[in-house]
Amino acid sequence: LAKTTQPISMDSYEGQEVNITCSHNNIATNDYITWYQQFPSQGPRFIIQGYKTKVTNEVASLFIPADRKSSTLSLPRVSLSDTAVYYCLDQGQAGTALIFGKGTTLSVSS
Amino acid sequence: DTAVSQTPKYLVTQMGNDKSIKCEQNLGHDTMYWYKQDSKKFLKIMFSYNNKELIINETVPNRFSPKSPDKAHLNLHINSLELGDSAVYFCASSRTGTEPYEQYFGPGTRLTVT
Repeated sequence: LAKTTQPISMDSYEGQEVNITCSHNNIATNDYITWYQQFPSQGPRFIIQGYKTKVTNEVASLFIPADRKSSTLSLPRVSLSDTAVYYCLDQGQAGTALIFGKGTTLSVSS
Repeated sequence: DTAVSQTPKYLVTQMGNDKSIKCEQNLGHDTMYWYKQDSKKFLKIMFSYNNKELIINETVPNRFSPKSPDKAHLNLHINSLELGDSAVYFCASSRTGTEPYEQYFGPGTRLTVT
């Protein structure tokens, strides 16, 4: 069973900022929060990962509050090509399997 | 250069047949995985191999047998295929260690059993 909870779907328009919140109330001390993106007919692709506070890369930002019970993936100025399923995962050490939930289907319109 | 490759991309076969899906990674990773994504798009781990040794074997029928000839390859053989085996199968790889390294996924193999 997935250890995270996130909205099933979200809609947005091009150019807007999209924030997807994920709940992980029982995250273990050593676990990280990792986000993957999946386009139709493709394998999941790593977006960003963090342990606490804020992490930013060229694609997204990840905000994790001090209690680590939730996190928010922020996608700045989305475009049509950002339409995909976004998965939030509670990830243990490397070599362990990823446990995927249903993800959030983001639809971006023009 | 493709990091994780799978062959074939599409596989259509009849019930009762035996088929194999091949996976290769050129990232130098020592852990490889097989995931299954069903028609409801739910991704689930099937197997995990570390240095050619089976680490994870989720509740998967015995008809599924992974084989790892070396660290760069992890093949999936399926015997006596059933209709319910129809799904997209993804191979993935990652480094191993104390950090939760990202997993790299292949493009998937869409298996259709008729």
